[in-house]
Amino acid sequence: AQRVTQPEKLLSVFKGAPVELKCNYSYSGSPELFWYVQYSRQRLQLLLRHISRESIKGFTADLNKGETSFHLKKPFAQEEDSAMYYCAYSLISGSARQLTFGSGTQLTVLP
Amino acid sequence: NAGVTQTPKFRILKIGQSMTLQCTQDMNHNYMYWYRQDPGMGLKLIYYSVGAGITDKGEVPNGYNVSRSTTEDFPLRLELAAPSQTSVYFCASTTLGGVSNQPQHFGDGTRLSIL
Repeated sequence: AQRVTQPEKLLSVFKGAPVELKCNYSYSGSPELFWYVQYSRQRLQLLLRHISRESIKGFTADLNKGETSFHLKKPFAQEEDSAMYYCAYSLISGSARQLTFGSGTQLTVLP
Repeated sequence: NAGVTQTPKFRILKIGQSMTLQCTQDMNHNYMYWYRQDPGMGLKLIYYSVGAGITDKGEVPNGYNVSRSTTEDFPLRLELAAPSQTSVYFCASTTLGGVSNQPQHFGDGTRLSIL
């Protein structure tokens, strides 16, 4: 079965330290991968997607097909980065494109 | 634009009761989705719709029903509430964007407890 694995439920780093949130996927094909974020008291929203190859709020994520990973990285974490992060991939299943989510990683950036 | 609006935000039901979770979007999106999120778990797809009049089952559809009479609205119905349906429910919508997948826009969620 296709799945997305986020091995860390909780991750704490100090402000200014680098942060990496891990995501591995199992899927045979060419998935489209996303990172979604949910800040406290806000709705789930898109952070970035691999096809855009963009940096959002200092975060980047590179798709590594050999390792089937899509880790989220930021060189210098900020307190406002504290949030719940979900890795997700998209596939065409049935009649619509669906997202499969990982279980999420709660990031806490300490002062 | 309000985006995706879900009502209610919180609800407590007794076992066996029924209710409808409302979801509406004002972005003219053709795709709409219902997810549930259990503690410590990722979001799991319950039902989805590719347009008015068309719905399909997701990963965990049992115990739920949906309808899509308009582009804007995608209500989720629980007919006989069970404790296993205690969860946070999210509605989302997106549009078809050519060869790539457009991001899904989420509502604030409905926290439902079945006692």
